[in-house]
Amino acid sequence: QSALTQPPSASGSPGQSVTISCTGTSTDIGAYNYVSWYQQHPGKAPKFMIFDVTKRPSGVPDRFSGSKSGNTAFLTVSGLQTEDEADYYCGSHAASNTFIFGGGTKLTVL
Amino acid sequence: QLQLQESGPGLAKPSETLSLKCTVSGASISNSDYSWGWIRQSPGKGLEWIGTIHYSGTTHYNPSLKSRVAISIDTSKSHFSLNLSSVTAADTAVYYCGRQRGYADYVGYWGQGLLVTVSS
Repeated sequence: QSALTQPPSASGSPGQSVTISCTGTSTDIGAYNYVSWYQQHPGKAPKFMIFDVTKRPSGVPDRFSGSKSGNTAFLTVSGLQTEDEADYYCGSHAASNTFIFGGGTKLTVL
Repeated sequence: QLQLQESGPGLAKPSETLSLKCTVSGASISNSDYSWGWIRQSPGKGLEWIGTIHYSGTTHYNPSLKSRVAISIDTSKSHFSLNLSSVTAADTAVYYCGRQRGYADYVGYWGQGLLVTVSS
């Protein structure tokens, strides 16, 4: 079970939009609409941001949105703010009732 | 509000068994819609899913760790536990407990994490 593939880094200026990709296989992202995304600030526990590919839990700003195409999921952060600078991880339900995370993407707000 | 709190030794010796407990408060550990899981993060690295347990006792594990992992649950005390055997330095990590939808879906709630160092 290899980790989902994310770019190690992404960046954008305040107010801009940035999209982070997360590539899996036909046995995880491609097979289920159960992709989730997490934000992690240094020294903190991850925070749950997106579930079921596109849904936001209560309290998550609508600047954060998710989508999927084939074996790849995407997280878009619109109207970037300085507090969005963090590590972002994707996750997916996978075959045999397992779960898999991506390797993480460090988002820098320039 | 659901809260999870990890507890256990912060130091484990190589070849021994790492044992951690997660105490659940603010919600029922016997809710059939969710499972209780363990996730770890090695220093400077990404998240790794270890496994989950449902209140019924059904467990699901990461295939790469399956031979060394056992997760158990005590519904009467509202806690669940992780045992990881034959640890090495590679098992040094922050260990998080969390609540997952179904048997292995999103982690909606996280504990604060507990650093466990494997060293002699």
